Amino acid sequence: AQRVTQPEKLLSVFKGAPVELKCNYSYSGSPELFWYVQYSRQRLQLLLRHISRESIKGFTADLNKGETSFHLKKPFAQEEDSAMYYCALSGGTGNQFYFGTGTSLTVIP
Amino acid sequence: KAGVTQTPRYLIKTRGQQVTLSCSPISGHRSVSWYQQTPGQGLQFLFEYFSETQRNKGNFPGRFSGRQFSNSRSEMNVSTLELGDSALYLCASRYRGARGEKLFFGSGTQLSVL
Repeated sequence: AQRVTQPEKLLSVFKGAPVELKCNYSYSGSPELFWYVQYSRQRLQLLLRHISRESIKGFTADLNKGETSFHLKKPFAQEEDSAMYYCALSGGTGNQFYFGTGTSLTVIP
Repeated sequence: KAGVTQTPRYLIKTRGQQVTLSCSPISGHRSVSWYQQTPGQGLQFLFEYFSETQRNKGNFPGRFSGRQFSNSRSEMNVSTLELGDSALYLCASRYRGARGEKLFFGSGTQLSVL
């Protein structure tokens, strides 16, 4: 069954510390993986996608097909990174998106 | 281009009533999908429409239905409302560009069922 798992509902880190938000998935095929972010009082928006190998706002995510993981990382957390983060996958055009339950990140000043 | 527009922004209904939510995608986007967002469950997929046809459907009861019009605007209807239907309902238009797929979300409709 298709599934996206984010094991941490809440994550707190100090400013300047490294941060890693975990995401594991199960999908029978070759999915596209994404991270979406929702800042306070803003719309849910795309942060990055594995297919374009982006680094956005200092965040990176590497697709590990062996471990079926797509963890989001940033070496030095900033206060403005505090937000809700959702990992998602898509089976491609015509297939639905599957979202994890989200991780609320708080960066402590 | 204008973003994804959802109306109304807030709704308060009582149990047993029915409600209709509206979503206008970004101009030129033909796919519209609907999600229910709650603090405990995160984002749960309701359904997706493409060119007026339902393309995918999530695991929600038949009380939840939708449709899409020829101008790509979409409506979602919930009949016989239950307290548990209280949530933020998000719609998104979907687009595949040179750098891959992307969902563009609206601000949502906050539904409260009393």
